[in-house]
Amino acid sequence: GQNIDQPTEMTATEGAIVQINCTYQTSGFNGLFWYQQHAGEAPTFLSYNVLDGLEEKGRFSSFLSRSKGYSYLLLKELQMKDSASYLCVVMDSNYQLIWGAGTKLIIKP
Amino acid sequence: EPEVTQTPSHQVTQMGQEVILRCVPISNHLYFYWYRQILGQKVEFLVSFYNNEISEKSEIFDDQFSVERPDGSNFTLKIRSTKLEDSAMYFCASSEGSDSRTEAFFGQGTRLTVV
Repeated sequence: GQNIDQPTEMTATEGAIVQINCTYQTSGFNGLFWYQQHAGEAPTFLSYNVLDGLEEKGRFSSFLSRSKGYSYLLLKELQMKDSASYLCVVMDSNYQLIWGAGTKLIIKP
Repeated sequence: EPEVTQTPSHQVTQMGQEVILRCVPISNHLYFYWYRQILGQKVEFLVSFYNNEISEKSEIFDDQFSVERPDGSNFTLKIRSTKLEDSAMYFCASSEGSDSRTEAFFGQGTRLTVV
């Protein structure tokens, strides 16, 4: 079966750094996405990795290791508005998106 | 900035009734999707649509559901004989292509409440 694992909930302090991990087992691999979702709103695109390594975009970075079936999303200089769920999504060999359950990130002042 | 729009933002319906959720994808996009998210649960794929036909559908997308592109702009999801468990946020998305280099843009969702 296809499976994506990420922590259910994490807590971090404003101004700090947090890393959200994701491991996956899917039927093939055509890339991994991270989406941000505020409560009651649609997911919004954060990042896309298809090759191993780190992709940096402002305060957010995403890392991929295909051999380990592992990715992380790194958020720096946390702001209160970063409180949201972060969804790890893998595209399988049929180009279908397999969604993780999301990690709820709580930012405390 | 182009965006996917969905109407209505919130729909309340009685169990057993039919509902139609409407979406206007981004104009130059060719692939359209419906997802649903039951409160507190993960986003679930329902169906993808390309070239006026369904390209993929999940186990959730049974005979109760149908999609249509009635004109050049709208993409609709019809749910027949709604059940309490159909209550969820329904998201429409569109993308230029279906491969791994394209990003799906999501609408703001329709919250369906079946009473």
